[in-house]
Amino acid sequence: DGGITQSPKYLFRKEGQNVTLSCEQNLNHDAMYWYRQDPGQGLRLIYYSQIVNDFQKGDIAEGYSVSREKKESFPLTVTSAQKNPTAFYLCASSISTQGMAQHFGDGTRLSIL
Amino acid sequence: QQQVKQSPQSLIVQKGGISIINCAYENTAFDYFPWYQQFPGKGPALLIAIRPDVSEKKEGRFTISFNKSAKQFSLHIMDSQPGDSATYFCAASMDAGGTSYGKLTFGQGTILTVHP
Repeated sequence: DGGITQSPKYLFRKEGQNVTLSCEQNLNHDAMYWYRQDPGQGLRLIYYSQIVNDFQKGDIAEGYSVSREKKESFPLTVTSAQKNPTAFYLCASSISTQGMAQHFGDGTRLSIL
Repeated sequence: QQQVKQSPQSLIVQKGGISIINCAYENTAFDYFPWYQQFPGKGPALLIAIRPDVSEKKEGRFTISFNKSAKQFSLHIMDSQPGDSATYFCAASMDAGGTSYGKLTFGQGTILTVHP
């Protein structure tokens, strides 16, 4: 079945540590996105990528980094510079970035140890 | 101007009733308005979407009503069922002709509880 796979489902970060969240899609979608979800808030865009080797900052990119070396993969690194990383992180993809439906993975919940 | 305001924050409906969630936006360049349904511990799933050239779209028990002049759109869930209990998000995006790259701007979400 086609879809988006995020791993791990739960992740714990120690102080000063960088952690990487995985996102893989087999939908052959060009565009991929990372969102952060906090309780009682909507989803906020961290980074997005239209094509391989290209990505753009979203609304809350500080303390995060991404790469897009393959069409299927869009990993997100939460760096030690992100002082409030505890959240639910969601990866999404769409056929293109032209206002098409975005399909989401089931998220990674990141907590601080 | 990029905000999408959603109300109410929470909604309790009896089984068989109608659930109504409202959203308002400011940016008239938005031209795609999806609604997402999210269950606990899961990612949002696209429920239904509309473009501004129509005033209403219906899919099963779910209907989007769109008022372009008022810059408002709403989700109606007819014959609400306990299985509809979830968080619902409205969103908006604009065509990627500019620099928006189809980014979705989400509302804050509505927690719907349908009592049996």
